[in-house]
Amino acid sequence: GAVVSQHPSRVICKSGTSVKIECRSLDFQATTMFWYRQFPKQSLMLMATSNEGSKATYEQGVEKDKFLINHASLTLSTLTVTSAHPEDSSFYICSARGTSGGQETQYFGPGTRLLVL
Amino acid sequence: AQSVTQLDSQVPVFEEAPVELRCNYSSSVSVYLFWYVQYPNQGLQLLLKYLSGSTLVKGINGFEAEFNKSQTSFHLRKPSVHISDTAEYFCAVSEKGGGNKLTFGTGTQLKVEL
Repeated sequence: GAVVSQHPSRVICKSGTSVKIECRSLDFQATTMFWYRQFPKQSLMLMATSNEGSKATYEQGVEKDKFLINHASLTLSTLTVTSAHPEDSSFYICSARGTSGGQETQYFGPGTRLLVL
Repeated sequence: AQSVTQLDSQVPVFEEAPVELRCNYSSSVSVYLFWYVQYPNQGLQLLLKYLSGSTLVKGINGFEAEFNKSQTSFHLRKPSVHISDTAEYFCAVSEKGGGNKLTFGTGTQLKVEL
């Protein structure tokens, strides 16, 4: 089946630094990628939707200047958390929409756990 | 806008017993419905989905769900659970024509005990 990878799986950083998270679709082309954030014991909240080659669409309440999304190719999207603060600590999950095995569906990455000290 | 309610945050059950995880949704338009499973420190895996047609949907690992439009529900069931089914289960909806944006419920932790 289709696979979506995320790197890194875990990252610890100091407050004020920036962190980049990569999301790759390994065996299919992802025309659309979604970024979610999941706080402990809570559900996934959609942060933004990105289409390859165009600007991301952010959900209400998500700061586009703080969470920079780049979808430069059909297999790679990056999320950069700029000037991270402890309240940004969370589990970030990407998902990629594409066609694999003749069927279109959405595949999720394994997530990246961010801890900001 | 749509919303999803999973009333049970935790469901403990003994191995080989049946289980039902409840999901109710709210939307002003027609929706697609999904159940995902999340094992510890892993991403979400699709268990099953309802797009159209038969209201009883069968998924992987012996799970099934039934779409009930009048009750706006999509409960997940398994007749006999296994220890390996211990995980977090998320119900999700997306509006038809809504660009595949998923709205998730808060999740139900299924804990299977011996």
